Amino acid sequence: QKEVEQDPGPLSVPEGAIVSLNCTYSNSAFQYFMWYRQYSRKGPELLMYTYSSGNKEDGRFTAQVDKSSKYISLFIRDSQPSDSATYLCATQPSGNTPLVFGKGTRLSVIA
Amino acid sequence: DAGVTQSPTHLIKTRGQQVTLRCSPISGHKSVSWYQQVLGQGPQFIFQYYEKEERGRGNFPDRFSARQFPNYSSELNVNALLLGDSALYLCASNSFGDTQYFGPGTRLTVL
Repeated sequence: QKEVEQDPGPLSVPEGAIVSLNCTYSNSAFQYFMWYRQYSRKGPELLMYTYSSGNKEDGRFTAQVDKSSKYISLFIRDSQPSDSATYLCATQPSGNTPLVFGKGTRLSVIA
Repeated sequence: DAGVTQSPTHLIKTRGQQVTLRCSPISGHKSVSWYQQVLGQGPQFIFQYYEKEERGRGNFPDRFSARQFPNYSSELNVNALLLGDSALYLCASNSFGDTQYFGPGTRLTVL
C-alpha cells in the first residue's frame, strides 16, 4: 500500500463548478498536510498548508483534514479555466522531514 | 523576493554521462531538498540538506549525490545516467520547521 493514495483522474468540470479533490494516507505519524498546484512542465506551487484536523479556507480554496479517517480534501469553489492544472497532496511527520506526495490529480476546467 | 531558482532549465544527456544540477534557495532558507518527478507521478524525495549537513536520503542508488555550500545553494550530481533517470528534478527550500517551497525544476532527458 502506498503511503499516500490519490486518484490521478483526469477530472473535467465546467467553469463555475465546485471541485473536490481527495487523498488518503496510511501513516498516522503524518501531522502536516499540503496541497500544491502544478501547471504543465512547471514546479509545484504551494496552495494550502495545515496541521490540525478541520477546515482551512483561503479565497476559493478550502482544505479539509480528517486525521481519524486519514483523509484530506481540497475544495475549489467557482472553478475557473485558470485552475486547470495537476493538484498534488503531500504530507510529512514533522516540519523538517521529507514530503510524501500523492500521484497528483489532473484537473481541467472547461469554459 | 526571489523564489527558489534552478539551473539549467533543460538538459539532454546520453546514457553513461554525468550531470550536475544547481539550486539557489529562497533568501534566509537554510534547508534544501531534492525531488525527482517522473512523468505522471508525484515527486519522490532524493536528499535533504540543512546547514550543509545531509539530513535525509531517499531510496535512490549511490549514483545520486548532493552537497550544500556555505551560501546554502546546492548541487545534485547523477553519475552513469540511465534512460530511467529522465525526469523533472525539483529543488525545494524551507526555513527550519516551515513547509517547502519549490523551484521551477530542471528537465533532464537521457537518450
